[in-house]
Amino acid sequence: DQQVKQNSPSLSVQEGRISILNCDYTNSMFDYFLWYKKYPAEGPTFLISISSIKDKNEDGRFTVFLNKSAKHLSLHIVPSQPGDSAVYFCAASTGNQFYFGTGTSLTVIP
Amino acid sequence: DAGVIQSPRHEVTEMGQEVTLRCKPISGHDYLFWYRQTMMRGLELLIYFNNNVPIDDSGMPEDRFSAKMPNASFSTLKIQPSEPRDSAVYFCASSKGQRNQPQHFGDGTRLSIL
Repeated sequence: DQQVKQNSPSLSVQEGRISILNCDYTNSMFDYFLWYKKYPAEGPTFLISISSIKDKNEDGRFTVFLNKSAKHLSLHIVPSQPGDSAVYFCAASTGNQFYFGTGTSLTVIP
Repeated sequence: DAGVIQSPRHEVTEMGQEVTLRCKPISGHDYLFWYRQTMMRGLELLIYFNNNVPIDDSGMPEDRFSAKMPNASFSTLKIQPSEPRDSAVYFCASSKGQRNQPQHFGDGTRLSIL
């Protein structure tokens, strides 16, 4: 049973606009959340993370928001660039192992 | 620094054959993870090791799957006998420490069982 869900398999955004990728989880014991980015034929690479004691973490164009009451995580990319086109995975951890979502494929249109 | 290295990158074999996937983690990392990526289930954890010792293999789908880590710089994932439903991309990842430490992934092995 999927404990981490990404319900949008794909998303298209115009260059310069905001991309919002969403993730929902079911296990209230998760205390650490991450986003990974994956290009074709490559492994996922770590992008940004957030601890459950925070509700926002920012790194340049990337911001992750955590809503613990809703068990919802989102990644905002502003402004979106064509190089951001990739598959994005969210992941959650209880400290023992990571649980990944199925990914959202982002296409940024020039 | 060299990242996680996996081999082969692609493997095509016939049903019933033994398949061995290999992984070299990042030097100094004490945790190693094996994942399988499918469209339906995303990235699934199969097994992970800490200091070469298997800690949790509850994600290994069947007895046909086995994994070893004979030393800190090498791990294998073996499927014997292989079946078409094992076709997927298999990733190896490593981390230094576990709690709240991002995992570093290799580029994966794309496995096709005919």
